[in-house]
Parts: sequence; structure tokens; C-alpha cells
Amino acid sequence: GAGVSQSPRYKVAKRGQDVALRCDPISGHVSLFWYQQALGQGPEFLTYFQNEAQLDKSGLPSDRFFAERPEGSVSTLKIQRTQQEDSAVYLCASSLSSGSDGELFFGEGSRLTVL
Amino acid sequence: QKEVEQNSGPLSVPEGAIASLNCTYSDRGSQSFFWYRQYSGKSPELIMSIYSNGDKEDGRFTAQLNKASQYVSLLIRDSQPSDSATYLCAVNRDGGFKTIFGAGTRLFVKA
Repeated sequence: GAGVSQSPRYKVAKRGQDVALRCDPISGHVSLFWYQQALGQGPEFLTYFQNEAQLDKSGLPSDRFFAERPEGSVSTLKIQRTQQEDSAVYLCASSLSSGSDGELFFGEGSRLTVL
Repeated sequence: QKEVEQNSGPLSVPEGAIASLNCTYSDRGSQSFFWYRQYSGKSPELIMSIYSNGDKEDGRFTAQLNKASQYVSLLIRDSQPSDSATYLCAVNRDGGFKTIFGAGTRLFVKA
């Protein structure tokens, strides 16, 4: 596809369930980012991949959050034992550049609701 | 202190007026600055980037950067109702890849 694709678009989970969110970046984009956006807030950085290497995971809120990009393309964000405070929109973005001047192209997001 | 600060608004301007959106940042090492627009229920999209002090114009949009004051702004001329959205200020450090976003300013353009 031409843009960043995320699935599922909507996910409802019961507290304690595990969820997996998928991101398919724009073909050829080196950099991939995951952000968390709560209602009325800006996107909060979670983690960054350059190709298959996870170079920064400082924004992951707890060890329940795990991200991978094993072949340098598709990425998965996994949340174990979900809590109500995990409810948010999870945005994936990719960039052609590996530097600081790159435009981020965002997917439509995965809205997670934890009951 | 948050790394990127924006007035949450809402900022309301009449159609045809100039909308002025402001942002301050705390890290003097920041070198790349961006404005993203986010419509309700949609994902952010880049509208302007600026890397050096001064003004940068693109159509109805002008970005202004003052690194000494750690201040970046976005002016929207001839505002249209379709400009109603949340505008996110974002910064990157030199050599860094982590883009940090502000909380956004909601803009309403009244017809």
C-alpha cells in the first residue's frame, strides 16, 4: 500500500488480556516509531527502530510493553496483561530518513480500549 | 517542565483572519522543528518543517523559529473552516531520531 497500515483499527480487551498491534510501514522506510496518544494529548514516544534494530525503547511505560521488527519491515507492539490505563490510540509512524530531519508518516492508529 | 509546551486552546478565529499558534521547547540541543495538523479522529500529518532561525513560508502557512528564545510559531493566513484541527508542535535534537510532540493547540475557524 501507499501509506502506513495499522491493524486492528479498534481493539477492546478485558483487563489482563494480552494484545498485539501490527504496523506495516511504507516500503523502503528505514525508521519506524510507535507513539501512544491519550485523548486530548499529543503523541507520546514509545520506541524507535532503525531497520530491525530497536535503538530506543525508553518510552515504553512498563515491562508489559514489548515491540519488535524482526525483518526490518512489519512491526508488532505487544501489551501483556492489559490495564485500564493502557487505553489509548497507538500510532505507528515511519520515515525514509534515519536522521533528525525526517518527516514522519503516520498510520491511522489502533484504538485500544481496556475494560 | 515539559520538553515542548503549547497552549491547549481552543483558539477561535473568524474565517479570513490570521491564526497564530505558538510553541516553546526546553532542550537547547533541538535542531529540527515541525508542525503537524491532526483532524479529529485522524492521524497527524506534516504541514511545515523548519531548521534555521527566521521565517519559512509555504502557501498560507508561515513557520517562524527563534532558537535564542527557544520559540517556534505557525501563522495561518486567510484561515478557513477546513483549517479547524489540532496543531502539534514537534522537535528533534540534532543527531537524534526521537521526535517529541507538544500536547497540541485546538484551532476553530468560524465561518
